[in-house]
Amino acid sequence: DSGVTQTPKHLITATGQRVTLRCSPRSGDLSVYWYQQSLDQGLQFLIQYYNGEERAKGNILERFSAQQFPDLHSELNLSSLELGDSALYFCASSVDEGVGETQYFGPGTRLLVL
Amino acid sequence: DAKTTQPPSMDCAEGRAANLPCNHSTISGNEYVYWYRQIHSQGPQYIIHGLKNNETNEMASLIITEDRKSSTLILPHATLRDTAVYYCIVRAYSGGGADGLTFGKGTHLIIQP
Repeated sequence: DSGVTQTPKHLITATGQRVTLRCSPRSGDLSVYWYQQSLDQGLQFLIQYYNGEERAKGNILERFSAQQFPDLHSELNLSSLELGDSALYFCASSVDEGVGETQYFGPGTRLLVL
Repeated sequence: DAKTTQPPSMDCAEGRAANLPCNHSTISGNEYVYWYRQIHSQGPQYIIHGLKNNETNEMASLIITEDRKSSTLILPHATLRDTAVYYCIVRAYSGGGADGLTFGKGTHLIIQP
């Protein structure tokens, strides 16, 4: 158990809908990262937040957005969902944002878009 | 981030040491080498990381060559539960903060009974 929690574990929805995935980082961690893992693209970094501020963006679509709240939990919002958005979504956290900081991953949310 | 090259798959007998190689010939001086593994569709699990020196923890050892162009992850006594995809990642610092990890395809390690 990494100490990172994600809810829900599974989510089934329809195309065109909007969903919100939630992540609670390890106690004391200020940095949160979101990743997407699909069969064809592998594990891809989406976005990073540090202490409430956006720090880095990866291959995140404009239909996707995220935020980190004052209590440091983070939410990933996915809108206008398409079949191709079906994937595992992982959240990771680290104490700080330095390059030597270890990221610890949560168990993931499995999203299925029908 | 520097590109990494790993064999797509490896077998190892249970109880033996598993040695997983990784090439990162374009690594630069401020880049760390990280190893993670993923069992089935679980969240990636951190194993170990290093910059220049060899490192050891309760899970594994990391051997980095002197020129830092390659490294080897060693699982000293592999068990069936070590069957997983192992990712070697080089992580660079960028701008005002570090970016996320760049995962390649990794090595699928299969521990044989």
